[in-house]
Amino acid sequence: DTEVTQTPKHLVMGMTNKKSLKCEQHMGHRAMYWYKQKAKKPPELMFVYSYEKLSINESVPSRFSPECPNSSLLNLHLHALQPEDSALYLCASSQVLLTSGSSYEQYFGPGTRLTVT
Amino acid sequence: AQSVTQLGSHVSVSEGALVLLRCNYSSSVPPYLFWYVQYPNQGLQLLLKYTSAATLVKGINGFEAEFKKSETSFHLTKPSAHMRDAAEYFCAVSDPGYSTLTFGKGTMLLVSP
Repeated sequence: DTEVTQTPKHLVMGMTNKKSLKCEQHMGHRAMYWYKQKAKKPPELMFVYSYEKLSINESVPSRFSPECPNSSLLNLHLHALQPEDSALYLCASSQVLLTSGSSYEQYFGPGTRLTVT
Repeated sequence: AQSVTQLGSHVSVSEGALVLLRCNYSSSVPPYLFWYVQYPNQGLQLLLKYTSAATLVKGINGFEAEFKKSETSFHLTKPSAHMRDAAEYFCAVSDPGYSTLTFGKGTMLLVSP
């Protein structure tokens, strides 16, 4: 099973709302990622979790708050977003690198289409 | 830092024609290279990956790519395009020992009947 699931599929929220995006994988991967993708652009890395610990934060505004409650789940908590935050939010997972001479592919979920009004 | 350049933001082919999507990489060390496809309103799906085991890599849906170190290229090809191949294609690079990907800007493949 190489599936990464994301909920909800679509989300519309106002600038004062608080919402959460969820991501789940059952491939035994210990690295999980959040990406933001604007229309006609490549995905932009936001956060990386390795063994449930935040290892990379690409200078993302604090209105985005990630959480990795266990090895299968990844959440992205949203608060006080701006209209420019409207985008497709993608979750991905991969094995964790154990040696410097390897690299693993990432498996992506279908994404959550977020619209901030 | 590693990077990839995809030549052509749009490529148009007729159904049954050869598909060639170009990707050139820049890396200080032998890289790991990937091609992903994204259909409208979907996530990214891995087509194939290069991990130095073989220079010609076969992927899913009839796609393949050849790693050419002398040209720093990893172009994606398919002998005969299908209408269902119409999608956005991303080339990505990862330095060995790093789990993060650097994506190219993407190439939209348009297939006409």
